[in-house]
Amino acid sequence: QVQLQESGPGLVKPSETLSLTCTVSGASISGYFWSWIRQPPGKGLEWIAYMSDSGSTNYNPSLKSRVTLSVDTPKNQVSLKMTSVTAADTAVYYCARAVGNTYFFDSWGQGILVTVSS
Amino acid sequence: SYELSQPPSVSVSPGQTASITCSGDKLGDKYASWYQQKPGQSPVLVIYQDTKRPSGIPERFSGSNSGNTATLTISGTQAMDEADYYCQAWANSIGVFGTGTKVTVL
Repeated sequence: QVQLQESGPGLVKPSETLSLTCTVSGASISGYFWSWIRQPPGKGLEWIAYMSDSGSTNYNPSLKSRVTLSVDTPKNQVSLKMTSVTAADTAVYYCARAVGNTYFFDSWGQGILVTVSS
Repeated sequence: SYELSQPPSVSVSPGQTASITCSGDKLGDKYASWYQQKPGQSPVLVIYQDTKRPSGIPERFSGSNSGNTATLTISGTQAMDEADYYCQAWANSIGVFGTGTKVTVL
């Protein structure tokens, strides 16, 4: 059974860079698309981006200029970097696996709350 | 940008049927999936490819998608089904989530 675990700092200062890692266990990251999705407190889900193990990526246009995804296949990890953060980026960040030819999210991490504050 | 709209809330009595709609331009031409999220928990896939249920999801959950509307139906709703529900689709390879619906079992 695949498990996803997000990790990274829970507090980031405004204008700095948010860096998160998703470690996948129980399955290889090869052959799947991996997404980051976030949820501000009390609000809905927002898709951020996806990346495949081969490096194919796509980003939410509203965040594209600030977001970069990367994959470390030997470590079975997917990483997210978001630059120039503001309080509006405070959210629970989830990584999720997208599967099938229609790319539904069948597995999610537990999420990590990232607060942007000085 | 593509948008998916859902009613903010739906109330249902135990044992009755709850229907949650998700509206988007020509949504029926895309595949919709649905996610259940209980307080403090990660979302869980309940319907994919419009109508399919993942292993372990009760048969009372069903889905449809046609025209501009996808619908998640919960038949014989139970107290444990009280949660937020989100639809999701892809538009030009961009992921889009619906606005979310809170289902209350009264």
